[in-house]
Amino acid sequence: GAGVSQSPSNKVTEKGKDVELRCDPISGHTALYWYRQRLGQGLEFLIYFQGNSAPDKSGLPSDRFSAERTGESVSTLTIQRTQQEDSAVYLCASSARDRGLNTIYFGEGSWLTVV
Amino acid sequence: QKEVEQNSGPLSVPEGAIASLNCTYSDRGSQSFFWYRQYSGKSPELIMSIYSNGDKEDGRFTAQLNKASQYVSLLIRDSQPSDSATYLCAVLHSSASKIIFGSGTRLSIRP
Repeated sequence: GAGVSQSPSNKVTEKGKDVELRCDPISGHTALYWYRQRLGQGLEFLIYFQGNSAPDKSGLPSDRFSAERTGESVSTLTIQRTQQEDSAVYLCASSARDRGLNTIYFGEGSWLTVV
Repeated sequence: QKEVEQNSGPLSVPEGAIASLNCTYSDRGSQSFFWYRQYSGKSPELIMSIYSNGDKEDGRFTAQLNKASQYVSLLIRDSQPSDSATYLCAVLHSSASKIIFGSGTRLSIRP
């Protein structure tokens, strides 16, 4: 597709349930990022994938959070046993990482509400 | 110390004036720097990227980088009401993996 695609765009879930968020990066982009943004706050780095290298998971807030990416395509962010504090917009971004340029482009986000 | 720091604002600037947004970063090995604009309820969009010391101009926007001082700024000339948004400074970590964002400066252009 032309841009980064995320689904679902909105998700309301009950506390304790698991949720899965999907990101389809721009075609050809080798790098993929997940960020979390709580209401009125900045972007919090979660995880970074680059090609077939081991992902940088240093931003994942707890072991309830995990992410996978198959090759250079779709990524899935999973949150297990959701808590109200997980309510946020989850932003996915991708970049080409070519010629030393690292401009990242964001999807529209998945808005998660835990009730 | 946060890795990327910005004043949260709000910064209020009259229409037509110059808005100046500032950012400092802690990772001295950082090489790539970005300014993103984020409207309320929307995802961030790239305004400027800068990689070398000095100024980089694009239309009404000028990014300034001083690696010795670990300082990045964004100037917006002839500010318009449509420039009212939150501006996010972002820095590519020296490990060349994660891009770290500041918490953003809220800019308000008053007519």
